[in-house]
Amino acid sequence: EPEVTQTPSHQVTQMGQEVILRCVPISNHLYFYWYRQILGQKVEFLVSFYNNEISEKSEIFDDQFSVERPDGSNFTLKIRSTKLEDSAMYFCASSPPYGTSGSDEQFFGPGTRLTVL
Amino acid sequence: QKEVEQDPGPLSVPEGAIVSLNCTYSNSAFQYFMWYRQYSRKGPELLMYTYSSGNKEDGRFTAQVDKSSKYISLFIRDSQPSDSATYLCAPGDNFNKFYFGSGTKLNVKP
Repeated sequence: EPEVTQTPSHQVTQMGQEVILRCVPISNHLYFYWYRQILGQKVEFLVSFYNNEISEKSEIFDDQFSVERPDGSNFTLKIRSTKLEDSAMYFCASSPPYGTSGSDEQFFGPGTRLTVL
Repeated sequence: QKEVEQDPGPLSVPEGAIVSLNCTYSNSAFQYFMWYRQYSRKGPELLMYTYSSGNKEDGRFTAQVDKSSKYISLFIRDSQPSDSATYLCAPGDNFNKFYFGSGTKLNVKP
């Protein structure tokens, strides 16, 4: 069964460094999302992306964050200058086109644990 | 006021019990009410969802929404040890953005 994959599984970085978290959505999906979950806290929406544009973003997704679909398979989240409070699990999700099977669901990847020291 | 409130548990029940998981929310614009299950070190996976008010049943799982009181419920019948996980409610006003509850950790004891 196709699934969303994310790399790396764990990323450790120094405060102030840039990180890029990578996701490979399910191949025929067109809608892409990033969420984060700080340890012990709730899953929080960051951004949704469709047709090479941000569809919606939360107040968390400030100028330090950016997303990109650099090719036909990858979807990345970049944090420009990491802060201690960026330490969290970051989940990528994707959805197929509206009207197709599964289009009412966001399929989540296993997450990347980001630790900022 | 927080968008979504959910009792974090943990909730511990014996195998075969009926489990009731609940959330309250504040935004009356929410139309979609999702329930996700999350196992340790995994991403959330969708269990089921309802649109607007009412009930929806899928096997041992029943989701209920009462929009008048802004109350969401998930019932699990004949609970199994494999149901042990964290259950997240996630309402939203469209499919682009959901607001997750903090999750209720469920432990079903054999």
